[in-house]
Amino acid sequence: EAGVAQSPRYKIIEKRQSVAFWCNPISGHATLYWYQQILGQGPKLLIQFQNNGVVDDSQLPKDRFSAERLKGVDSTLKIQPAKLEDSAVYLCASSLVGLAGARRHTQYFGPGTRLTVL
Amino acid sequence: GDSVTQMEGPVTLSEEAFLTINCTYTATGYPSLFWYVQYPGEGLQLLLKATKADDKGSNKGFEATYRKETTSFHLEKGSVQVSDSAVYFCALSDPMDSSYKLIFGSGTRLLVRP
Repeated sequence: EAGVAQSPRYKIIEKRQSVAFWCNPISGHATLYWYQQILGQGPKLLIQFQNNGVVDDSQLPKDRFSAERLKGVDSTLKIQPAKLEDSAVYLCASSLVGLAGARRHTQYFGPGTRLTVL
Repeated sequence: GDSVTQMEGPVTLSEEAFLTINCTYTATGYPSLFWYVQYPGEGLQLLLKATKADDKGSNKGFEATYRKETTSFHLEKGSVQVSDSAVYFCALSDPMDSSYKLIFGSGTRLLVRP
C-alpha cells in the first residue's frame, strides 16, 4: 500500500514570497491533516479535513495560510506572504474516517516538506 | 488544554543498554496514547499505541503501558540497537475532541553508540 505522498521535499524562499505544498493521502483515507513542526518541537495541527470539508482550522493563521482539498483526495497548503517564523517542516497525515474504533484514528504521516524562509 | 510532556534529550546509550523515555500527559477525557518515531530524513512512523488504561502497546521490542493513575505512557526497550537512533514523540488523541487531532510532546532524541 502506498503511503502519504508530499511534494516538494525541500523549499527555500525569501520572506514575503508565496509557497504551496501538495499532499496525496493514502487511498481511501477520508481524513487529512496538515501539521507544522518547528525545529525542536513536536508537530502542531494546522488544519484537518474530512473528505473535502474542514473539521478544525482553529490553529491556522488565516491571514497568510490557506488550504483546500478538492474532491476529497489531494490537498494543497499555501502560505502568502511567508514570514521568517514559518520556517518549519510541514507534515501531511491521513487516516480512515474518524468514527468509533481506535484503529480508524491511527494517523499515517508523509515525509514532510522542509521550508526555509530567508 | 490537553498536553504531553516528554523528558528532554538527547539520550545517549551504548548498544544493548536499557531504554526508558518518560512521557506524562494532561487530558480532560480518556485519551488514546501513541509513540511515534522519526528517523533522520524521514516522516513520523507509528511505533505503538494504547487506547485504554492498563493497555500495553508493543512493537519492535519497544513497550509502553497506559497508566491512568500516574497519567504516564513511558517508552521502554530492553536492549537498544544503533538502528534505534531517532527522535521519539509521545502523543495523545482526546476522544472528547471531535477532530481526534494528535497533540505531541516536544520529542526526545535517542543516540545509540556501538
